[in-house]
Amino acid sequence: KNQVEQSPQSLIILEGKNCTLQCNYTVSPFSNLRWYKQDTGRGPVSLTIMTFSENTKSNGRYTATLDADTKQSSLHITASQLSDSASYICVVWRGGADGLTFGKGTHLIIQP
Amino acid sequence: KAGVTQTPRYLIKTRGQQVTLSCSPISGHRSVSWYQQTPGQGLQFLFEYFSETQRNKGNFPGRFSGRQFSNSRSEMNVSTLELGDSALYLCASSLGQGPNSPLHFGNGTRLTVT
Repeated sequence: KNQVEQSPQSLIILEGKNCTLQCNYTVSPFSNLRWYKQDTGRGPVSLTIMTFSENTKSNGRYTATLDADTKQSSLHITASQLSDSASYICVVWRGGADGLTFGKGTHLIIQP
Repeated sequence: KAGVTQTPRYLIKTRGQQVTLSCSPISGHRSVSWYQQTPGQGLQFLFEYFSETQRNKGNFPGRFSGRQFSNSRSEMNVSTLELGDSALYLCASSLGQGPNSPLHFGNGTRLTVT
């Protein structure tokens, strides 16, 4: 069964600290892996898209890694800011419009 | 460039009623897809339209339907509403289905069924 598991479910860290969110998937075949940020009451916003051949991709203070062999990805946030408080959703695409499998997200809270 | 616009932002309906949600994609985007988001299930794919044709449909009952107009705007309809249909309904547009074509989401319509 195609699944995307994210951990932890929720995380609270202090402003300025770093954190890493995990994503494990069993989706096959694999086309790409995407990380989205969803602020409360808003739609998800794309952070990164990585294909099979990409190991690391950065978007400002966000760095995503992908290990296609172990089917694991991580999203590292450096020097967190209050505006990073959001849900982070990992999505794996196997191709086609119905080929997206969504994780349930990690709810991140940054405290001052 | 204007983003994806969804209307209305909030809806309250009664069981048995029907509802229509609207989505205006980013200019130039011909692919529009719809998703249901609930706390328990996360995001689930409903259907996708491209050039007025439904290309794919998720695992939802026939009460959920949609259409796309020639200007790429899309509507989603839910008939005979059930309590379990309460959710955030998100629309996303994209240029196509290429591997590096991200989805651009609207801010959703929050539907509450009482």
